[in-house]
Amino acid sequence: EAGVAQSPRYKIIEKRQSVAFWCNPISGHATLYWYQQILGQGPKLLIQFQNNGVVDDSQLPKDRFSAERLKGVDSTLKIQPAKLEDSAVYLCASSLSADYNSPLHFGNGTRLTVT
Amino acid sequence: QKEVEQNSGPLSVPEGAIASLNCTYSDQGSQSFFWYRQYSGKSPELIMFIYSNGDKEDGRFTAQLNKASQYVSLLIRDSQPSDSATYLCAVTFNKFYFGSGTKLNVKP
Repeated sequence: EAGVAQSPRYKIIEKRQSVAFWCNPISGHATLYWYQQILGQGPKLLIQFQNNGVVDDSQLPKDRFSAERLKGVDSTLKIQPAKLEDSAVYLCASSLSADYNSPLHFGNGTRLTVT
Repeated sequence: QKEVEQNSGPLSVPEGAIASLNCTYSDQGSQSFFWYRQYSGKSPELIMFIYSNGDKEDGRFTAQLNKASQYVSLLIRDSQPSDSATYLCAVTFNKFYFGSGTKLNVKP
C-alpha cells in the first residue's frame, strides 16, 4: 500500500512570498488532515477534510492560509503572504474514517523556511 | 482547553533496559489513544493504539491505559539504540490532540 505522498520536501521563501504544498492521501482514505509542526512541539491541526468537505478549520489562519480538496482526493495548502513564524514542517495525514478511532498516517512532510 | 501532557525528557536508558513513557490527558471523554514515534527530521510513525482499559502488547511494545486516572503509557522492552526518537502521545475527543513528545535516548 502506497503511503501519503507530499511535495515538495523542502521549500525556502522570503517573507511576504506565497507557497503551496500538495498532498495525495492513501487510496481509499476519505479523511485528510493538514498539520503544522514547529520544532519541539507536537503537530497542530490546521484543517481537516472529509471527502471534499471541511470538518474543522478552526485553527487555520484564514487571512493567509487556504486549503482545498476539490475532488475528494488530492489536497493543496497555500500560504500567502508568508511570515517568519510560518517556518515549520507541514504534515499531511490521512485516515480511513473520520470517527477518530482510525489512526492517522502521515506523509514525509514539507519543511518550510521563511527568511 | 483539552490538554495532553508529556515529559519532554530526554529520558535516557541503557541498551536492553525497559523504557517507560507516560502521557496524561485532561478530558475524561477521550475515546482513542495512539503512540507515534518520530525520528529527528522525519514524520510521525504509528507505533500502537489502544481503546480500552488495560494492556496491549505488540512485540517489544506495550501500551497501558487507565481511563480512571486519565493516563496512558508506552513500555519498550529490551530497548535498542534504534529506539532513540521522540515519542508522541495522541488522544482523541472529536479531534486528535497531540502532546509535545518525550525524547528517548537509548545508550549502547
